[in-house]
Amino acid sequence: GQNIDQPTEMTATEGAIVQINCTYQTSGFNGLFWYQQHAGEAPTFLSYNVLDGLEEKGRFSSFLSRSKGYSYLLLKELQMKDSASYLCAVMDSNYQLIWGAGTKLIIKP
Amino acid sequence: ETGVTQTPRHLVMGMTNKKSLKCEQHLGHNAMYWYKQSAKKPLELMFVYSLEERVENNSVPSRFSPECPNSSHLFLHLHTLQPEDSALYLCASSQGGGDYNEQFFGPGTRLTVL
Repeated sequence: GQNIDQPTEMTATEGAIVQINCTYQTSGFNGLFWYQQHAGEAPTFLSYNVLDGLEEKGRFSSFLSRSKGYSYLLLKELQMKDSASYLCAVMDSNYQLIWGAGTKLIIKP
Repeated sequence: ETGVTQTPRHLVMGMTNKKSLKCEQHLGHNAMYWYKQSAKKPLELMFVYSLEERVENNSVPSRFSPECPNSSHLFLHLHTLQPEDSALYLCASSQGGGDYNEQFFGPGTRLTVL
């Protein structure tokens, strides 16, 4: 079966750096997405990786290793507004998104 | 209006009621999706429409009935639901067709079935 694993919850301190990991086993691979979802709101797109390596976008970076079935989202200079759930999703061979359960990130002052 | 909108935002219904959820996208996309989001579970894809034709139905119970009258509108008709159907129902749209299929989500309808 298809499976996406990510930690259920993480806690970090304002101003620090946090890395949220995602491992996947899917039938085919056509890219990996990270979304942010604040409580009670819609998920919003953060990043897309289809080739191995690091994609940097401001304070957020996303890394992919296709051979290892692994990705991480790196958040730098954490702000209180970064408290949210972070969803990892992989596009399979049918171009459908397979979703992880999300990682709830709690930022403490 | 911009992006993806959903109405109502909150809905409480009894098991014998019939209600409908509405989704509208203002992005010119040609694919639309219904997802179910339950606490601490992955997003569950329910239905996919591409160019107003249903292309995916992930074994969803018949008490959920989708309708896509045009590429901008998507409905989810609900009847004789069960308490375990209580969840956040998210609508999304995308340009569709091939890779890099970034999906844009609406704010969701929080459904409670009594």
